[in-house]
This record gives sequence, C-alpha cells and structure tokens, in this order.
Amino acid sequence: EEDLVQSGTEVKKPGESLTISCKASGYNFNTYWIAWVRQVPGKGLEWMGMIYPSGSDTLYSPSFRGRVTISADRSLTTAFLQWSSLQASDTAIYFCARLGCGDASCLERRGLDVWGQGTAVIVSS
Amino acid sequence: EIVLTQSPGSLSLSPGQSATLSCRASQGIVHNYFAWYQQKPGQPPRLLIYGASTRATGIPDRFTGSGSGTDFALTISRLEPQDFAVYFCQQYGSSPWTFGQGTTVEI
Repeated sequence: EEDLVQSGTEVKKPGESLTISCKASGYNFNTYWIAWVRQVPGKGLEWMGMIYPSGSDTLYSPSFRGRVTISADRSLTTAFLQWSSLQASDTAIYFCARLGCGDASCLERRGLDVWGQGTAVIVSS
Repeated sequence: EIVLTQSPGSLSLSPGQSATLSCRASQGIVHNYFAWYQQKPGQPPRLLIYGASTRATGIPDRFTGSGSGTDFALTISRLEPQDFAVYFCQQYGSSPWTFGQGTTVEI
C-alpha cells in the first residue's frame, strides 16, 4: 500500500529551527514528485513547493521561497521541510503529498493522490 | 499566479439531494491539470477528481467533474452522510499551484 507517514507535532519558539519529515513506502520514491502543503487551522490550502527525489529538482512557491527548504533523502525514502528561523505566522498544519503520474515520465499528472496525515507546528513564545 | 474562486462558500443540503460546486480560474488551466479534493475535520484532503473530469481510484460515480479552460464544476449526486465535508479545487498546471478557498457542504 502506498503511504506517506509524517513526523509528529512540534512546539517551538520564534527564532528556532525545525525540520519535519515525510516517509514514503509502497512505491518507487525516486520517480514521484513530493509536494508540501500548508493549512492554517480553519483556513484553506497553500502549495509551498515540491521536490523530485531523483535528481532533487525543487520548485518553490514565491510565497515560501527563501523561507523554507525542501529536501529528500533517497536512502531513507523521506522528504523534509526545514525552517532556519520560525515565526509565529508559521503556526499551521503541514501536509506532504505525492503527485500522481499516469506514465513513467510523469508527462500525465494526476493530482495529489497520496497524502500524509499532517504535522502540526505550533510557534509560540 | 492563478487565482481560483469557489462558489458558493457553503451549501446546506439534505441526504439524497444533489450539490453543484463551482470553481472559476483567473486564467486558463494548462493541460486541464485541475483537481477536486474532499477534506473532513482532522483529516488530510482526499483526491476526488483529476484532469478536470477523471475520478481518482475508489471514488464513487456519484462524484462528477466537468469543465475546461477557466470554469469547472463538481457535481455530487444522491448526497450521502459521509459526503458532508469541505471541498477544494486546485490547479496544478502552472507554478505556483493554487487552491480555491473551499466550499462547505453541510446538512
């Protein structure tokens, strides 16, 4: 079964650094894009960016570029989302999700078809 | 950035009725890379429709996606109790990918 399992809730202070993780299983991690999506409680969804583990190509939303770093470790089949200095406004739930593909080259994209359970990040002094 | 505007913001319906949710894009969606998701409290979103009209694996045929270009719709026929949730549209054809603000389907 294809699955994404995320790390647990984090409570941090402003200015602290943080890395959360998303471990994939049940499929070839190297050949599917992994996206990160933010959701402020009670609000909508925001695409932050994504990574292609084979080659580590990354794309960022302009809203998040420079604020977070997306990476992946193929040996661990795990993607990461990292902050160097958290702000209170980073308080949210963060989801990782896989971009479904209809072919080996992912020329046919099929939306975000597998989602992690979400990681709550709370930033408060 | 492509802005997606969903309407209505909320719908109050009863089981057995049908719901039509709309999503309008500020510019045309490339390759019809357009999706609908369902989200229930405390859960991640679930992919319902991709490519504007193709049901994802395991999605019942009560869910129908339609549209192209800038205007898209999700129709849910014969609402069942488990269908009451928030629905989001998304475009994944142009970076940055964007989501609509959501439509709540409530009893």
